[in-house]
Amino acid sequence: AQSVTQPDIHITVSEGASLELRCNYSYGATPYLFWYVQSPGQGLQLLLKYFSGDTLVQGIKGFEAEFKRSQSSFNLRKPSVHWSDAAEYFCAVGPDDKIIFGKGTRLHILP
Amino acid sequence: NAGVTQTPKFQVLKTGQSMTLQCAQDMNHEYMSWYRQDPGMGLRLIHYSVGAGITDQGEVPNGYNVSRSTTEDFPLRLLSAAPSQTSVYFCASSLGVTGTEAFFGQGTRLTVV
Repeated sequence: AQSVTQPDIHITVSEGASLELRCNYSYGATPYLFWYVQSPGQGLQLLLKYFSGDTLVQGIKGFEAEFKRSQSSFNLRKPSVHWSDAAEYFCAVGPDDKIIFGKGTRLHILP
Repeated sequence: NAGVTQTPKFQVLKTGQSMTLQCAQDMNHEYMSWYRQDPGMGLRLIHYSVGAGITDQGEVPNGYNVSRSTTEDFPLRLLSAAPSQTSVYFCASSLGVTGTEAFFGQGTRLTVV
C-alpha cells in the first residue's frame, strides 16, 4: 500500500536560513509526488510535483525538491526562508484519484 | 474563476443529526475527492470519484456517503453524526490526467457535540 512519512512534526529555522523538509514514500510503481503548503485557516496550495524526467523539480515561491528513487525520498528545500513561509507542509503521493498525504511538517520561522 | 467551493464553512451538529457538506467545482474536472484533516494526522481520504456516476472508498469511509450525479458536484453526507467526525473537511478536484494538480476548497470546520 502506498504511504508517506514526514519524520519531522515541527521544524524551526531562522529567517534567511536554508530549509530542508524530509519526505519518504512507499509506492509500488513509479510514484507521482507532490508538496503542498497550507497557511493557517486556508486550503492547500500546490508547491511542486514530480512524475517523470529531471529529478530536481522547481516550484513556486522559490522551493525545489529532489526525487531520489534509491532512498524513496522527495525532500523539499529552500535556500533562504522568509517569515511568510511559516505554514504547514504536506508531502503526498499519487495517482490523482487517490492522493495520499503525509501527516505534515509545521514550519516555524524565527525573526 | 471560483475553483472549488465548499459550503458551509462552519457547522455545529448534535450527535445523531445528519447533514450534507456541499462541494462544487467549475473547472470541468473529472476527479473529485473528500478528505478530513485532524491534528497530527494529515489529510485522510474519505471517498473519491473519477467521474459522474462513479465513486469509491478511501482510507476512512465509515460514517460517510457520497454520490456524483453531475461533473460539478460531489456532496458528502453524514447520516448520523458522531463526535469522532469532528474535523476539518476538504474537497479537492483535478483534471484526472496523471500527475496534474489537485485544487482544494477552503474547508468546512465541523464540530459534533
